[in-house]
Amino acid sequence: AQSVAQPEDQVNVAEGNPLTVKCTYSVSGNPYLFWYVQYPNRGLQFLLKYITGDNLVKGSYGFEAEFNKSQTSFHLKKPSALVSDSALYFCAVRDSRGRGSTLGRLYFGRGTQLTVWP
Amino acid sequence: GAGVSQSPSNKVTEKGKDVELRCDPISGHTALYWYRQSLGQGLEFLIYFQGNSAPDKSGLPSDRFSAERTGGSVSTLTIQRTQQEDSAVYLCASSADPIPTYEQYFGPGTRLTVT
Repeated sequence: AQSVAQPEDQVNVAEGNPLTVKCTYSVSGNPYLFWYVQYPNRGLQFLLKYITGDNLVKGSYGFEAEFNKSQTSFHLKKPSALVSDSALYFCAVRDSRGRGSTLGRLYFGRGTQLTVWP
Repeated sequence: GAGVSQSPSNKVTEKGKDVELRCDPISGHTALYWYRQSLGQGLEFLIYFQGNSAPDKSGLPSDRFSAERTGGSVSTLTIQRTQQEDSAVYLCASSADPIPTYEQYFGPGTRLTVT
């Protein structure tokens, strides 16, 4: 079965410090991995994705994520956090072995609330 | 260009009433998804439409929930005889193609409150 775990409900970091938001996944086939961000009272915005190739993926707003197959992880990182990065972050996965009507759906983690304090 | 739009943005209804939530996907996107986000919960998949294929309804929580997509574009999610546990933000998303490499684009959501 496909699933995503975000082990931390909350991450707090000081502005200017590096940040990491953790994500692990479980799929039967190869994973297609996504990160989304949600600001208050807004929908989800796409940040980045891993499909294949280089394990380090770069996305919007200076974020990057590293795919680690052996650890089944896809942690979100940023070298220097900004107060404006404070938001709710969701990791999601699709299974390459999905077929038919299940091909398109995303499986989301429960989300991690990131707070960057000045 | 225009993103995914949803209406209404907020809906307050009395328990037992029916509600309709609307989603306008990005023009040309063939795949459309509905999710539900409850307080303290992650995103719960509800239903998925792809072109003219039969929708994947496996996520609908009860037979009070139904959805349709007319003309391969606009979708309506209907909740009959609403219950307080239906209170949540209902998010719609679309993607250009259902193949797994395409990201989904989300609308701003409809916040449903059942009193």
